[in-house]
Amino acid sequence: KNQVEQSPQSLIILEGKNCTLQCNYTVSPFSNLRWYKQDTGRGPVSLTIMTFSENTKSNGRYTATLDADTKQSSLHITASQLSDSASYICVVSAANSGYALNFGKGTSLLVTP
Amino acid sequence: ETGVTQSPTHLIKTRGQQVTLRCSSQSGHNTVSWYQQALGQGPQFIFQYYREEENGRGNFPPRFSGLQFPNYSSELNVNALELDDSALYLCASSLDSGSEQFFGPGTRLTVL
Repeated sequence: KNQVEQSPQSLIILEGKNCTLQCNYTVSPFSNLRWYKQDTGRGPVSLTIMTFSENTKSNGRYTATLDADTKQSSLHITASQLSDSASYICVVSAANSGYALNFGKGTSLLVTP
Repeated sequence: ETGVTQSPTHLIKTRGQQVTLRCSSQSGHNTVSWYQQALGQGPQFIFQYYREEENGRGNFPPRFSGLQFPNYSSELNVNALELDDSALYLCASSLDSGSEQFFGPGTRLTVL
């Protein structure tokens, strides 16, 4: 069973609208959680990284939240743009395994005019 | 751009053949990790090389092997290719094992 689950699997929104993507994880002990943006056929690019003590982090129009007690994270995108169309992947690192990243399957976001 | 480069960009092979994929790490990084990403899936960890030694391995058969060179660039070799090996292969470099990983653009491998 995947230790990182993301929802929804895919999402279509109109340009200018906001959206929220969800990530639930069971990885333990927890080290950090990252959100990546991956354009089709390209490598993932880091958007935010949060450790146990952080519950929110922003990067421009992207705001990530983390609830380490419930093991949930969200990525909120404000005022979406066509260029936001991509896959958004939640990645969780365990504290006892420096190299092993646990990837979610991603949420595929399509922003339409 | 992360400064991590991969070659080739695309590759088409037939079943049973062998393939070598290459990755140049970001300047100052001594660790390279390789991932396989099937269509519509998240990346799956293949292995990591730290200072020229294999530092960890995921659930991949021995026909997936790798190398890291003194300049910390790396190769991924896959023998006896199977149709299911068709995927985007990503490499990521980091300052050391456990540090944030920066991904390259990937190599798209198609096995016919």
